[in-house]
Amino acid sequence: AQSVTQLGSHVSVSEGALVLLRCNYSSSVPPYLFWYVQYPNQGLQLLLKYTSAATLVKGINGFEAEFKKSETSFHLTKPSAHMSDAAEYFCAVSRYTGTASKLTFGTGTRLQVTL
Amino acid sequence: DAGVTQSPTHLIKTRGQQVTLRCSPKSGHDTVSWYQQALGQGPQFIFQYYEEEERQRGNFPDRFSGHQFPNYSSELNVNALLLGDSALYLCASSLNGGPTYEQFFGPGTRLTVL
Repeated sequence: AQSVTQLGSHVSVSEGALVLLRCNYSSSVPPYLFWYVQYPNQGLQLLLKYTSAATLVKGINGFEAEFKKSETSFHLTKPSAHMSDAAEYFCAVSRYTGTASKLTFGTGTRLQVTL
Repeated sequence: DAGVTQSPTHLIKTRGQQVTLRCSPKSGHDTVSWYQQALGQGPQFIFQYYEEEERQRGNFPDRFSGHQFPNYSSELNVNALLLGDSALYLCASSLNGGPTYEQFFGPGTRLTVL
C-alpha cells in the first residue's frame, strides 16, 4: 500500500521568504510522486511530478521538489513566496501499472503568505 | 481545447435522495476517475472507468456507482444520500496507456446534503 504524509496542516510565511512544504511517502515499489495546488473553490492543478527521472524536479510558478529515497521525502520548495501562492497544497503518490493508476493524496497543507 | 468539465457546480440534496454528477474528459482522454474531497481533507479515490467499465475502485460503498458513455464522458451516482456524503466531487481524466501522472482535474461539484 502506498501513502503520503504531509507535515504541517498550516504553514505561514512572509512574502519573499522561502516556502518549504513537507511530504514523506511510503511505497513498496518505486513511486510516482506529485504536488498539486488547489485555490479556493477550484479543482486541482498539477505543480510538478517525479517519475524516476531527475531527482530534482522543477514545476510551474517557480516551485521545485527533490526526491530523496534515503529519507523517503519529496518536499516542495520555492525560494521567494508571493501573495498569489496562498492556497492548499497536496502531495500525492501513484504507481504505474501499465494503465492509469489512482492517486493517493495527503491531507494537505494550507499556505498563508503575509505582507 | 476544453479541459475537464463538470456539472453542476453546486448541488443541494436532502438525506435519502439520489444524485447524479456529470463529467466530460479532456479532449483525447479515454479514462475517467472520480474523487471525493471532504472539507479539510485530501481527495479520496472512488473509482475509475475505462471502456465503459469500472476498472478500479476505492473504499466506497455500493451506494456509489458510475457509468461511462461511448464518448468517454462519465456520471457518478450516489443513492440514499447521507450527511457524510457532503463533499467536493472531483473528476480527473487521463489517457489509457499514457503516463500515470497525466491526470487532469475538473473544477468539481460541491454537494451539500441536508
